[in-house]
Amino acid sequence: DQQVKQNSPSLSVQEGRISILNCDYTNSMFDYFLWYKKYPAEGPTFLISISSIKDKNEDGRFTVFLNKSAKHLSLHIVPSQPGDSAVYFCASIGNQFYFGTGTSLTVIP
Amino acid sequence: NAGVTQTPKFQVLKTGQSMTLQCAQDMNHNSMYWYRQDPGMGLRLIYYSASEGTTDKGEVPNGYNVSRLNKREFSLRLESAAPSQTSVYFCASSERRQRILYNEQFFGPGTRLTVL
Repeated sequence: DQQVKQNSPSLSVQEGRISILNCDYTNSMFDYFLWYKKYPAEGPTFLISISSIKDKNEDGRFTVFLNKSAKHLSLHIVPSQPGDSAVYFCASIGNQFYFGTGTSLTVIP
Repeated sequence: NAGVTQTPKFQVLKTGQSMTLQCAQDMNHNSMYWYRQDPGMGLRLIYYSASEGTTDKGEVPNGYNVSRLNKREFSLRLESAAPSQTSVYFCASSERRQRILYNEQFFGPGTRLTVL
């Protein structure tokens, strides 16, 4: 039973536009969320996180939004760059880390 | 700093063979983890070690054993490999503060395992 879901397996965006990646979770006890980025043949790397006491966290071009009532978080990348093309995983923490299935982002030059 | 290293990078096994995947970190982290990544399934936790001398089961532990050899090293063993264990395996480590899991994890480059 998938506790963290990323319903869009892929997303294509033009360079310079906004990329929005979505993630839903099922367990209301989750209180910390992370986004990871993964290039082919490499391990995932941490991108940004958010605690449930916040509804927004920003780091440069990356912003994560958390809607606790909807059990939904999203990652916004503005402006999108070709180097952002990768697979993005969201993760949440209960008694262990739970990862989503990933969204493959392609930024078209 | 090499971060998290994994060996081997690739491995092909026949059903029933055994092997050990090695993982080492040089960041002096207390906690270490083993994940597998399968298409459409994301990353699933196999085992983790909160600190040297302790190990705990994750979401998908069946068919695997682990050893936390020392603070740096955490190995994953497949005693009798099965085709269902064909996957990419990632090791990760994290610092431990307050609650163990409130920390980002640093991942190794992965081991691609095929079981025929």
